Amino acid sequence: GNSVTQMEGPVTLSEEAFLTINCTYTATGYPSLFWYVQYPGEGLQLLLKATKADDKGSNKGFEATYRKETTSFHLEKGSVQVSDSAVYFCALTEFSNFNKFYFGSGTKLNVKP
Amino acid sequence: ETGVTQTPRHLVMGMTNKKSLKCEQHLGHNAMYWYKQSAKKPLELMFVYNFKEQTENNSVPSRFSPECPNSSHLFLHLHTLQPEDSALYLCASSQENREGAEQYFGPGTRLTVT
Repeated sequence: GNSVTQMEGPVTLSEEAFLTINCTYTATGYPSLFWYVQYPGEGLQLLLKATKADDKGSNKGFEATYRKETTSFHLEKGSVQVSDSAVYFCALTEFSNFNKFYFGSGTKLNVKP
Repeated sequence: ETGVTQTPRHLVMGMTNKKSLKCEQHLGHNAMYWYKQSAKKPLELMFVYNFKEQTENNSVPSRFSPECPNSSHLFLHLHTLQPEDSALYLCASSQENREGAEQYFGPGTRLTVT
């Protein structure tokens, strides 16, 4: 079956530190991969996505590369800000499976000044 | 602003009350979803409406009743809820027949059952 596993949090970093949040997946077919972010008191917002192997999604300084050989989609940012403090969700969907979404459990990021 | 709105944003209800949550999407999508987000639990898919037909129901208790009158509106009717139903209820929409289509989420309704 399909599933997403991401590193448990919370992750606590100082401002301007490098961020990596690991995400690995299992899928029966050829999934599309996503990172969503949830700020306190809000819904999930799409951060970036990649639809095929070796694609790199990027947005607001965040990047993730679709690695089929390692079934991974790790989220990175070179220099985090306090405003990046939020919960980050990795997710996958498969067109052949009616685009049903599978979400990871979320990783909370705390960035300190 | 994601193009998906939800009302109310906060709701406190007793176990014997009946209330409804409303979701509206302004994106022209053809699929809508209800999710439940509880503290320290994974996001839980409750209902899917695709082309106005309900296509999934993950053994959700009957005290939750969805309604999708058209492709832009989705309701979740609540009755005789339990305290463990307290959670953030998220609505989402997507274009179902497009590969790699992302889901767009509303801000959620924070429900507290007393």
